[in-house]
Amino acid sequence: EVQLVESGGGLVQPGRSLKLSCAASGFTFSNYGMAWVRQAPTKGLEWVATISYDGSSTYYRDSVKGRFTISRDNAKSTLYLQMDSLRSEDTATYYCARHYYSSYSWFAYWGQGTLVTVSS
Amino acid sequence: DVVMTQTPVSLPVSLGGQASISCRSSQSLVHSNGNTYLHWYLQKPGQSPQLLIYRVSNRFSGVPDRFSGSGSGTDFTLKISRVEPEDLGDYYCLQSTHFPLTFGSGTKLEIK
Repeated sequence: EVQLVESGGGLVQPGRSLKLSCAASGFTFSNYGMAWVRQAPTKGLEWVATISYDGSSTYYRDSVKGRFTISRDNAKSTLYLQMDSLRSEDTATYYCARHYYSSYSWFAYWGQGTLVTVSS
Repeated sequence: DVVMTQTPVSLPVSLGGQASISCRSSQSLVHSNGNTYLHWYLQKPGQSPQLLIYRVSNRFSGVPDRFSGSGSGTDFTLKISRVEPEDLGDYYCLQSTHFPLTFGSGTKLEIK
């Protein structure tokens, strides 16, 4: 069974940093692209970033480019999202998602999410 | 960015009845490779989204055949027949033909 378990969310002040983690199991992690997707409270879904199966390619939405960094450790089957210079508009539940293929494609599986609140 | 417009915003339905959700894109979703990358998700209350349909009409593993997808170009539809209580929640379409991936704004399926 595919499992994705996010951690690292919490309350953080504007301008500060936070690092999210996603522990994967139930599939060969190193074969698939991975992503972060967020959902602001009572709002819809928004893709944030994607990393290819081997980490050689990364993609970001414009609003987080230069502030967020997606990375992975295939030996640990773990995905990360380093979030710097956080803004109030980054407040959301962040979902870890597995792509259907090895890189940029749609999302086959999702974790349960971790809440990030950016507020003073 | 490609804008995905879903209608209706809210869809009251009777248990055992049929529901139809529309998703329209601001650009054609036909990729240069000939495939169309339009997908459907269900987010049940308090849960994370789950994949229902991928590439317009392919049901994901374990999805009952009560769910069906159709459409082409810029116009797509998700149909749910014989609606059951477990079908209630928010439905989203997603396009992955163009960068960045974009979701529709959602349709809430609720009991009439």
